[in-house]
Amino acid sequence: ETGVTQTPRHLVMGMTNKKSLKCEQHLGHNAMYWYKQSAKKPLELMFVYNFKEQTENNSVPSRFSPECPNSSHLFLHLHTLQPEDSALYLCASSQDVGTSYNEQFFGPGTRLTVL
Amino acid sequence: GQNIDQPTEMTATEGAIVQINCTYQTSGFNGLFWYQQHAGEAPTFLSYNVLDGLEEKGRFSSFLSRSKGYSYLLLKELQMKDSASYLCAVADSNYQLIWGAGTKLIIKP
Repeated sequence: ETGVTQTPRHLVMGMTNKKSLKCEQHLGHNAMYWYKQSAKKPLELMFVYNFKEQTENNSVPSRFSPECPNSSHLFLHLHTLQPEDSALYLCASSQDVGTSYNEQFFGPGTRLTVL
Repeated sequence: GQNIDQPTEMTATEGAIVQINCTYQTSGFNGLFWYQQHAGEAPTFLSYNVLDGLEEKGRFSSFLSRSKGYSYLLLKELQMKDSASYLCAVADSNYQLIWGAGTKLIIKP
């Protein structure tokens, strides 16, 4: 257990569906992240939130919409996804952003399959 | 561009020693991380190096040479549970982590 939980663990959706991924951290951290992990590719940073404010959006398509209501919760709303969006979506948290030693704690991920 | 290179896959024998290399080219350097990720699980932190040299932590050690843009993770007395992917990541000038694609380590009895 890393102190970061994600639900659901697995999700299968059609291209016209709307779904949401949820992440919660119990570590008292200020920063939260969404990553996409595809097979044999580096982790792709999608979004960063610091104190509920979005500080990073790495040119992510608008069919992915993040929401951070407070420092402990992070959502990723999905709509009209494409099959190439199938991947493992990882949530992470860290104490802060913009510091040298900034260990990130990861959740177990949501395995997303888009049909 | 920014780039992290590490071998895709390595195989080693239980009880042996294995070294996983990582080379990087990034805009700035604010430390290098190693993470372990078992299949279907979250990546977990193993080590952090910001100064040159070797950091030892039990069976695992991590080495950094900033002038060469090079790091390695050394695993000793390998156990079957060490079968996992090992991810190298560098914090760039903006403190953003740049990730390698990971090295899948297979341990054979």
